[in-house]
Amino acid sequence: AQSVAQPEDQVNVAEGNPLTVKCTYSVSGNPYLFWYVQYPNRGLQFLLKYITGDNLVKGSYGFEAEFNKSQTSFHLKKPSALVSDSALYFCAVRLPFYGGATNKLIFGTGTLLAVQP
Amino acid sequence: DGGITQSPKYLFRKEGQNVTLSCEQNLNHDAMYWYRQDPGQGLRLIYYSQIVNDFQKGDIAEGYSVSREKKESFPLTVTSAQKNPTAFYLCASSLAEGNTIYFGEGSWLTVV
Repeated sequence: AQSVAQPEDQVNVAEGNPLTVKCTYSVSGNPYLFWYVQYPNRGLQFLLKYITGDNLVKGSYGFEAEFNKSQTSFHLKKPSALVSDSALYFCAVRLPFYGGATNKLIFGTGTLLAVQP
Repeated sequence: DGGITQSPKYLFRKEGQNVTLSCEQNLNHDAMYWYRQDPGQGLRLIYYSQIVNDFQKGDIAEGYSVSREKKESFPLTVTSAQKNPTAFYLCASSLAEGNTIYFGEGSWLTVV
């Protein structure tokens, strides 16, 4: 079955330290991968995506993600965390040519990032 | 401002009542989507539409209905057949051939 896994419900990190939010996927073919962030009571904001090319993708607010095909992972990273980064983060995969809806996304269950001052 | 507007932000439904959530976009996007968000379950696709007057069921369409009479509008009706409608509902849109889906601010629906 096609799926996306975020193995950590919550990640705690001190402000100024590097952060990593993990994501692995199980999809046939070459998927497109996305990260979104959600602040309380708000919609999802797009952070970055991997389509093809360089395995290291840079996105908004200083975030980046590394695509690793052999490990089927797409972990989100930031060199120095801010308290304002505290939010819910979702990894998503777009299935290639799924039923004609080429933009259908499958989401992970989300990881709550808590950055302590 | 360009974007996706959902209304109302908060809605209360009585048992046996149908309610409609509005979604309007001025991004000139061809495709529109409705997702449902429940704690610990991520987002699940309810319905999607790639062009006007056409829409497809997602993974959890039972108890919901949609229409797509205009390119910019994709309202979602939560019918009385939906037994557990309390959730956060997110509308989204994208270019037909683009890869990124953009979301509105969401609507809370609560059964009272």
